[in-house]
Amino acid sequence: KAGVTQTPRYLIKTRGQQVTLSCSPISGHRSVSWYQQTPGQGLQFLFEYFSETQRNKGNFPGRFSGRQFSNSRSEMNVSTLELGDSALYLCASSLRPSSTGELFFGEGSRLTVL
Amino acid sequence: AQTVTQSQPEMSVQEAETVTLSCTYDTSESDYYLFWYKQPPSRQMILVIRQEAYKQQNATENRFSVNFQKAAKSFSLKISDSQLGDAAMYFCAYRSLTRGSNYKLTFGKGTLLTVNP
Repeated sequence: KAGVTQTPRYLIKTRGQQVTLSCSPISGHRSVSWYQQTPGQGLQFLFEYFSETQRNKGNFPGRFSGRQFSNSRSEMNVSTLELGDSALYLCASSLRPSSTGELFFGEGSRLTVL
Repeated sequence: AQTVTQSQPEMSVQEAETVTLSCTYDTSESDYYLFWYKQPPSRQMILVIRQEAYKQQNATENRFSVNFQKAAKSFSLKISDSQLGDAAMYFCAYRSLTRGSNYKLTFGKGTLLTVNP
């Protein structure tokens, strides 16, 4: 069974640009969560999608948004990039939001903002 | 809000020896899960071990075991017979199961484990 796939793996942007990251969950998983990982703040929850609906949202500004498609694939978008948005963005999937099982993580998309 | 604290930013252990990574958490909830995740360099994060709060028995997965002290809100990870492949960043995480919570994972800042040959 294929794991969680995130694309692109690496990208470089400049301040003010926008970026879209993609996540394909494990087949059969309908819940997708996004996390931002930085050396200073660690891992912080961005949002979670289930059945094409945002179920939960972390404490990030409105520049961070996402969506989920009918095939459970998810995208997150960051507009008007700032230097502080440089981070590893991790996607995780599970069967459903309240699943008591583990989250399965992708390898992440490493974003560098210059 | 729940918080998870890992007080050891870095730890090292000799190959074949035993090491314990510490984690404490703060919550007013009674129903939750605790996890230890491992993130090797440039590789994806994987689950090491999981503990249900309602279970008194400590979870064990091969060389990995936990010491779960619910009253003390402590959840340490013991790695026995350490191997070179155990070198990674280890994250302690909390997941609420309370109805109405958002079920998100709250992570500690991580402990970087080095295994010396």
